[in-house]
Amino acid sequence: GAGVSQSPSNKVTEKGKDVELRCDPISGHTALYWYRQSLGQGLEFLIYFQGNSAPDKSGLPSDRFSAERTGGSVSTLTIQRTQQEDSAVYLCASSLAGAPTDTQYFGPGTRLTVL
Amino acid sequence: GDSVTQMEGPVTLSEEAFLTINCTYTATGYPSLFWYVQYPGEGLQLLLKATKADDKGSNKGFEATYRKETTSFHLEKGSVQVSDSAVYFCALSDRAAGNKLTFGGGTRVLVKP
Repeated sequence: GAGVSQSPSNKVTEKGKDVELRCDPISGHTALYWYRQSLGQGLEFLIYFQGNSAPDKSGLPSDRFSAERTGGSVSTLTIQRTQQEDSAVYLCASSLAGAPTDTQYFGPGTRLTVL
Repeated sequence: GDSVTQMEGPVTLSEEAFLTINCTYTATGYPSLFWYVQYPGEGLQLLLKATKADDKGSNKGFEATYRKETTSFHLEKGSVQVSDSAVYFCALSDRAAGNKLTFGGGTRVLVKP
């Protein structure tokens, strides 16, 4: 079946602009995660949605970052007033039920470059 | 908080050599342990996992055993191929820490023919 999809695959923006990154999880998966992969910081957790529960936002690096998940499916990660340090690959993952034993399936990522 | 430490690379091997990548962890609860792999130009994919102590995960000739007493989950393969060249990430997921994946820094492996 279809895996996790993300769009756009690449995004180049100017410092100070806002960007939106989209994630379509695997159908039927109730848990959705956002991570960031950068050279300096490795792979780091950003935010986690599980069903209708309040999201775990503990990994968001600043209040410029926000995310929503509409209808329990598609998610959008928004970065306001982008900075050069926001340049990274943003990865979305989904899992069946959000249990720690569940496999998280990753999308191909969105490469964000802030000039 | 939770953390994962894995050996730094790059690791360069000849084809058919034995591969070990060390991974140790610190967790507040009882984590599940994972190895993810990122092949050149591709996304992260699960290689194997183990969800409780003494479990052995295996896939594609790779194995790792969940050792609670040494808080380790070392990855091994007896005979590597050029196609195993990739970056390998050890990770854990812990309900006490919110079920998110905590990753090690990654180990780049290069297998030469």
